Amino acid sequence: NAGVTQTPKFRILKIGQSMTLQCTQDMNHNYMYWYRQDPGMGLKLIYYSVGAGITDKGEVPNGYNVSRSTTEDFPLRLELAAPSQTSVYFCASSYSADTPREQYFGPGTRLTVT
Amino acid sequence: AQTVTQSQPEMSVQEAETVTLSCTYDTSENNYYLFWYKQPPSRQMILVIRQEAYKQQNATENRFSVNFQKAAKSFSLKISDSQLGDTAMYFCAFIASALNYGGSQGNLIFGKGTKLSVKP
Repeated sequence: NAGVTQTPKFRILKIGQSMTLQCTQDMNHNYMYWYRQDPGMGLKLIYYSVGAGITDKGEVPNGYNVSRSTTEDFPLRLELAAPSQTSVYFCASSYSADTPREQYFGPGTRLTVT
Repeated sequence: AQTVTQSQPEMSVQEAETVTLSCTYDTSENNYYLFWYKQPPSRQMILVIRQEAYKQQNATENRFSVNFQKAAKSFSLKISDSQLGDTAMYFCAFIASALNYGGSQGNLIFGKGTKLSVKP
C-alpha cells in the first residue's frame, strides 16, 4: 500500500491565485482530514469527511473548500490565495469511527503565498 | 474545549541516555485517546505510541513508553537509549472517543510540539 499520498510537495502561489491540493489514500479508510501546520505550531483541522459525499468544517475552514466524490480522494481547494494561507498542509485518513482512531498522515505540501 | 499543552519547546539529550517529554491536557471527557507523534525534518508525521484512557496500564513500544496519569491529565513520553534518529519534533495529541463530540468527529487536538535534539 502507498498509504496517503499528496501532490504537489511544494508550491508557490501569487496572491489571488487558486489551486487544488490533491490527497489519495489506498487503505479504504472512510474518514479523511485536512490539517494545516503553521511554523512552530501543531496541526489544526481545516475540513474532514466521514465518507464519500459527506464533508464538514474543522477548526480553521475559512478560505478553503473540499469535496469527496470517492472513498479514495479528498482534494482541498484554495480560492483567492492569501499570505495567511502560507503553511504546510497535511492530509490524513483513518478507519471508520472504531477504536483506536489512529490517523495516517501524508507527507505534506509546503505552500507559500506571496 | 479540549486543550493540549507541551511546556518544553526544546530539549536535548546525549545519545544512549533517557529523556522525558511532558504533555498535559484538559478535557471533560472520560473516554479518549492520547498519542505521541514524531515529525522528523522530512515533515512526515509518524505515530510513536498511543494510549487509551480506559486502560490503566501505560503503553510501551520498544524504547518508547508513556506515563499516563489520568487524574492529573498528564501524558509524558519517555525515550530510553536515545538514538540520533530520534531527533525530531514530538507532538502530543488528544482525540475524544465520542462519535459525535463537538461535531468534529476526527478532530485530533495537537500541542505545539517539543523539538528534541539527540547529540552524539
